Parts: sequence; structure tokens; C-alpha cells
Amino acid sequence: DIQMTQSPSALSASVGDRVTITCRASQTIDIYLAWYLQKPGKAPKLLIYKASSLESGVPSRFSGSGSGTEFTLTISSLRPDDFATYYCQQYLSYPYTFGQGTKLEIK
Amino acid sequence: VQLVQSGTEVKKPGESLKISCQASGYKFSSYWIGWVRQMPGKGLEWMGIIYPGDFDTRYSPSFQGQVTISADTIISTAYLQWSSLKASDTAMYYCGRFKDGDYVIDYWGQGTLVTVSS
Repeated sequence: DIQMTQSPSALSASVGDRVTITCRASQTIDIYLAWYLQKPGKAPKLLIYKASSLESGVPSRFSGSGSGTEFTLTISSLRPDDFATYYCQQYLSYPYTFGQGTKLEIK
Repeated sequence: VQLVQSGTEVKKPGESLKISCQASGYKFSSYWIGWVRQMPGKGLEWMGIIYPGDFDTRYSPSFQGQVTISADTIISTAYLQWSSLKASDTAMYYCGRFKDGDYVIDYWGQGTLVTVSS
């Protein structure tokens, strides 16, 4: 199975900050990488797919980049609603696998 | 598009269970459905996927033999079932529809909480 490792596992930031989360794959996954956001008690929400494609309805302050084994999710200017847990997911090959999550907290 | 999952379940170890995910607003047979587990306070884990059009089903290694995924195209519903629950099956279970052309979930169910306790 392809292992996905996110860093950091937790992050404290303030409203208005620029934040970057990294996801590394144990082998190359081309651009088959997605990012989700999950708030407590809620289902995940798709933000980014194919490494950099913004899902319809997702604000443009979210962006994704990378290919191969290293990927980043950037939030250009944090809003209060962005404090949540973020997961990456590879889908080059089954079983699709998630990263362990990055919890973004208010400083 | 909407996915509505069955309600909270409280079961005893050894009991069987089948939870459901009813889809609406799209052609059910044309999109993969996935099941994802989230244990209390933990991250997301893929369990398996099914394509209702031909019932092609794939399980993640950790869940192979532990659960059964099925679908009923007549009522546009996917299922996840256990024949003998364990306490370690206590978790939130989400279903989701795969995005057209990508193996990512763009529409999610609200989740079904399963608690297994003696």
C-alpha cells in the first residue's frame, strides 16, 4: 500500500495567516492527490483534487501544488471557518490511502 | 446529489449489522461508492468501494473478510455489513460518491455511528 505522511500533525495559526500543509507519498503518485477538510462531527469536504484542481464552490484562498511524492495545501489568508482537520488522499492505486491528518487550531 | 445514511446503532459483540447509504439526485449505477471508517478521535480509513453498475467491489486489505459491501440498484442504496461485530468496530462510518472521472469523494453521507459494547 502507498503510505501518506502529512506534516505537521498539528498547527496553530491566526486569522489572516498564510498556512502550508505538506503531504508526502511513499512512492510516486503522479498528481493523483486530493485534499479534504473535516470539522468535528461532520463529514469530510473535498477541497482539491488532481493535486491542484479546486473543487467547485471552494474558496480561491485554498490552493494545492505538487506532483510525484511531495504535495502542499496552502491557505492564503486564514478565515475563522478554516480551523479544522485536513487530510490528503492518494488515488493512484487501490487501496486509496489517507494521510493521518493535520489539525489546524487557532493561536 | 444527496446521500442519506441509516441511523445510529448500538450493538453487542457478536451481533450482525447492516447499515445503508441511500443515494438520490444522480444515476446511482454510474458512480463508484466508497465506505470510510473513522474511529473515535482518529483519522480516516478506506474500507472498500463498489461500482453499482456491475457490482465490482474492492476491499482494503485491513477490511477484507471483515465486512461486506453491497448495493441495490432498484432502490439506489449501498450497504456495509458485519456478520459478527467486535468492540473495535465502534466508529463513525461514512459513505461517499466518487467524483466523475476521479477516485475522490465529492458527495458524502452524514455518517452512521456504530457503537459495539457489552
